[in-house]
Formats: sequence, structure tokens, C-alpha cells
Amino acid sequence: EAGVAQSPRYKIIEKRQSVAFWCNPISGHATLYWYQQILGQGPKLLIQFQNNGVVDDSQLPKDRFSAERLKGVDSTLKIQPAKLEDSAVYLCASSLGASGSLVDTQYFGPGTRLTVL
Amino acid sequence: QKEVEQNSGPLSVPEGAIASLNCTYSDRGSQSFFWYRQYSGKSPELIMFIYSNGDKEDGRFTAQLNKASQYVSLLIRDSQPSDSATYLCAPVGGSNYKLTFGKGTLLTVNP
Repeated sequence: EAGVAQSPRYKIIEKRQSVAFWCNPISGHATLYWYQQILGQGPKLLIQFQNNGVVDDSQLPKDRFSAERLKGVDSTLKIQPAKLEDSAVYLCASSLGASGSLVDTQYFGPGTRLTVL
Repeated sequence: QKEVEQNSGPLSVPEGAIASLNCTYSDRGSQSFFWYRQYSGKSPELIMFIYSNGDKEDGRFTAQLNKASQYVSLLIRDSQPSDSATYLCAPVGGSNYKLTFGKGTLLTVNP
């Protein structure tokens, strides 16, 4: 079974530029998550999708970050304009999304390492 | 602010010893708890989860949960150098069963 795919793996941009990340979840997984992991910290949830609807985006900086999940499968996360503090690894994860499950396991992709200069 | 506290380490143990990783959490509504392992430069991978008070064993790993004390731990028996990684504790809570990760504990197993 193929895992969560992400691209690109690395990205270097100047501040105020825009950048987009792509994620393809495990086949059949209804729930998709985007996390931001700053060096030395644990992953922080940015946005959670159930199929193509947003479940939680409370920690997404909506003035500069946006995300979409069209057709309930692939997802893109965009940053526009980027700031220095956005330098981090952006992780995508997916889970079956069984309703009400306390043990709905999240599987992570390899991540995209973003450096903002 | 829901918090998850882990000793950042590094925790250094000799090969073959038991490594004990601890985690406390502030959200009393948390009902299940995940442990992930993250090698340097890699993404987190699931070790195990626990949702009932007491112990849960899976191979060399044992998770322990005490909801009254808001404490969860992970024991690694017969530690191997390949266990050297950061271990992330993540309680599950809220209506969307959200994971809240701690900062992780860096474990080093010395040959």
C-alpha cells in the first residue's frame, strides 16, 4: 500500500514570495491533515479536512495561509506572502477518518522542508 | 491552552537497558494517547496508542496510562541503537479527535 505522498521535498524562497505544497493521501483515507513542525518542536495542526470539508482550521494563519482539498483526495497548502518564521517542515498526514474513533491512526508523509530567506 | 509536557532530553541509556519516556497533559478530556517516533530528518511514525488506564504491551514497547494523574509513559525494553530518535506524545481530544503533540524527548541509546 502506497503511503502519503508530498511534493516538493525541499523549497527555498525569499520572504514575501509565495509557495505551494501538494499532498496525496493514502487511498481510501477520508481525513487529511496539514501540520507545521518548527525545528525542536512537535507538529502543530494547521488544518484538518474530512473528505473535502474543513473540520478544524483554528491554528491556520488565514491572512497568509490557505488550503484546499478538491474532490476529497489531493490537497494543496499555500503560503502567500511567506515570512521568515514560516521556515519549517510541512507535514501532511491522512487517516481513515472513522467517525468517533479514538484511535483513528494518522500516517505521515515525508514532509516538505521550507526555508524562507 | 491545552499543553503536553515532555522532558526534551536528551535521555541517554546504554544498549540493552530500559528507556522510560514520560508525558503529562493538561486536557482532562483527552481520551486516547498516541506515541510516535521521529528519526532525525524524517516524519513521525506510529509506535502505539493507549486509551485505557494501565499498561499496554507491544513487543519491546509498553505504554502506561494514568488518567487521574494525567500521565502517560512509554517504556522501551532491551533498548537498541536503532531506537535512538525523538519520541512524541500526542493526546487525542476535542470534537474532531485532534492530536496535540508535545515537543518530544530525544533518546540516545549508546552501544
